[in-house]
Amino acid sequence: QKEVEQNSGPLSVPEGAIASLNCTYSDRGSQSFFWYRQYSGKSPELIMSIYSNGDKEDGRFTAQLNKASQYVSLLIRDSQPSDSATYLCAASVSSGSARQLTFGSGTQLTVLP
Amino acid sequence: DAGVTQSPTHLIKTRGQQVTLRCSPKSGHDTVSWYQQALGQGPQFIFQYYEEEERQRGNFPDRFSGHQFPNYSSELNVNALLLGDSALYLCASSLELRSSYNEQFFGPGTRLTVL
Repeated sequence: QKEVEQNSGPLSVPEGAIASLNCTYSDRGSQSFFWYRQYSGKSPELIMSIYSNGDKEDGRFTAQLNKASQYVSLLIRDSQPSDSATYLCAASVSSGSARQLTFGSGTQLTVLP
Repeated sequence: DAGVTQSPTHLIKTRGQQVTLRCSPKSGHDTVSWYQQALGQGPQFIFQYYEEEERQRGNFPDRFSGHQFPNYSSELNVNALLLGDSALYLCASSLELRSSYNEQFFGPGTRLTVL
């Protein structure tokens, strides 16, 4: 069973703090990793993609990948109330010619004003 | 730049009925994947279409079928609806040329309720 596990929430942080979201995956064949943000009642929105070991920064977001430990994380700096959402971690797995995404169950983040 | 569109936004059906959901991919994209998201869970892969053919299927029964048209748009059909089919159905589009990166962009989804 190819799985993606996310740290259980919900997670609450005060406005301006750093929010840290974690994810592990079981399939060593996973090649690409993604973080999606999903507001209540809406569809997932892609916010970060990472393909190589190390850090990738985009504005207030930093994604970190460690393939040896099969670990992906997302840091949100200077958290804002508008960051309150469920964050989904996804791993891309090749199956034949197709590449499907396997998702974790999500971590609900609340940023308190 | 037109994003992924889906129709309808909401649908209510009764057990045993059949439903068809529609998706148009993001402009320039040629690959469509369908996902089912139950409440409180992450999306689950149903299948993927490229060049009008189903390339891969997730762990879903044959009641779930699909189609891709020459203009890359796609349909998801579900027959003999069960209460457990109630979920948010998501369409995601991607570009085959960038398949090694597999960035997928989701549409707004169709909320299906089975009574």
